[in-house]
Amino acid sequence: QVQLQESGPGLVEPSETLSLTCTVSGDSISSNHYWSWIRQPPGKGLEWLGYVSYSGNTNYKPSLKSRVTISLDTSKKQFSLKMKSVTPADTAVYYCARDDTSGHFDYWGQGTLVTVSS
Amino acid sequence: QSVLTQPPSVSGAPGQRVTISCTGSRSNIGAGYDVNWYQHLPGTAPRLLIFGNSNRPSGVPDRFSGSKSGTSASLAITGLQAEDEGDYYCQSYDSSLNDSGYVFGTGTRVTVL
Repeated sequence: QVQLQESGPGLVEPSETLSLTCTVSGDSISSNHYWSWIRQPPGKGLEWLGYVSYSGNTNYKPSLKSRVTISLDTSKKQFSLKMKSVTPADTAVYYCARDDTSGHFDYWGQGTLVTVSS
Repeated sequence: QSVLTQPPSVSGAPGQRVTISCTGSRSNIGAGYDVNWYQHLPGTAPRLLIFGNSNRPSGVPDRFSGSKSGTSASLAITGLQAEDEGDYYCQSYDSSLNDSGYVFGTGTRVTVL
């Protein structure tokens, strides 16, 4: 069974960098999939942030491209999100998810709440 | 703001049928991109319900069905059950020049009366 688990700080100060990691089990992170980050601000809907492919190629939501970096560490079976210059508007539950390259997310992590506050 | 519009809420009695619409445009659903649907219950990870407009992953009951026409899509839940109460999101791809990528609907809260 494929499982994804997010980890990282739950509190980040404004203007700092948010860093999260997603650990994948039950699947090869090098298999033919895209690995995405998706977030949900409190009381709002879901927002796709970007993905890293099995080969390390990336694709980001254009409006966030200047602040977001997603990378892959195949040796640790992990992929990571870095978002710089965060503001309180970046407060959200952050999910990692697998896309089988067909454009749908078939496995998700449980999500982790990140609060941006001083 | 999302480019896919859903009704904020729908409700029905146990056993009834409810439908959730997802309205897009020519840069997403109308451009031929697939629509997928997710169920998001409180405190859990979103669950894929429908992919490729009308396909169910294994384990999803056939009470859930999806369809797509033109610039819109719909999710139908028949034989509504108490455990179906939660939020539902459609998802597709948008090819707008300014902000292309995967997009989600505004979300619909399903209430079982």
